[in-house]
Amino acid sequence: AQKVTQAQTEISVVEKEDVTLDCVYETRDTTYYLFWYKQPPSGELVFLIRRNSFDEQNEISGRYSWNFQKSTSSFNFTITASQVVDSAVYFCALSEGFLQGAQKLVFGQGTRLTINP
Amino acid sequence: AAGVIQSPRHLIKEKRETATLKCYPIPRHDTVYWYQQGPGQDPQFLISFYEKMQSDKGSIPDRFSAQQFSDYHSELNMSSLELGDSALYFCASSRRTGNNEQFFGPGTRLTVL
Repeated sequence: AQKVTQAQTEISVVEKEDVTLDCVYETRDTTYYLFWYKQPPSGELVFLIRRNSFDEQNEISGRYSWNFQKSTSSFNFTITASQVVDSAVYFCALSEGFLQGAQKLVFGQGTRLTINP
Repeated sequence: AAGVIQSPRHLIKEKRETATLKCYPIPRHDTVYWYQQGPGQDPQFLISFYEKMQSDKGSIPDRFSAQQFSDYHSELNMSSLELGDSALYFCASSRRTGNNEQFFGPGTRLTVL
């Protein structure tokens, strides 16, 4: 069975601090995708990144970076120099078996990030 | 670029009433997913369709049914509504041969009174 755990329920930091959101996943499949989504107070789900299980390269996009480590089944997300606009709930998600086509997403419990001015 | 369209955006119903949520996927997307997000919860997968056939089923109550039509739009029908059905309902679409990038609609917020 697939499972995603985001142990940090809430994080609060002061603006300009760096913050890392943890994500640990479980799957028996060797082919899978990992995702991060942002959900601002308005409620929509904003896609941030997708990673497949064969690509362990870390990725950086502006102030955002992601660290994928299969050895520890983790896919952590770091925001550098955080801003108030980064305040949102962040979800990590997993889908299995992408070789069989599109599959459902299993989400973690989410981490509520608050950036204080 | 065209996005996933959901209607209505907001819906208020009484207990035991019925509700129908609609989803219009991105053009040329052949797969539709429905997710339910309760207050303070993560989105939970309900059901998906590929080429108008149900392809996967999650924790969808028997009171709910869904289908995908010939134009690929999908409808989620909910009967005998309960207070616990109050949630944000997301539809997502993707292309089966794609890289599983699911594009989410803005959601329908259902409130059951």
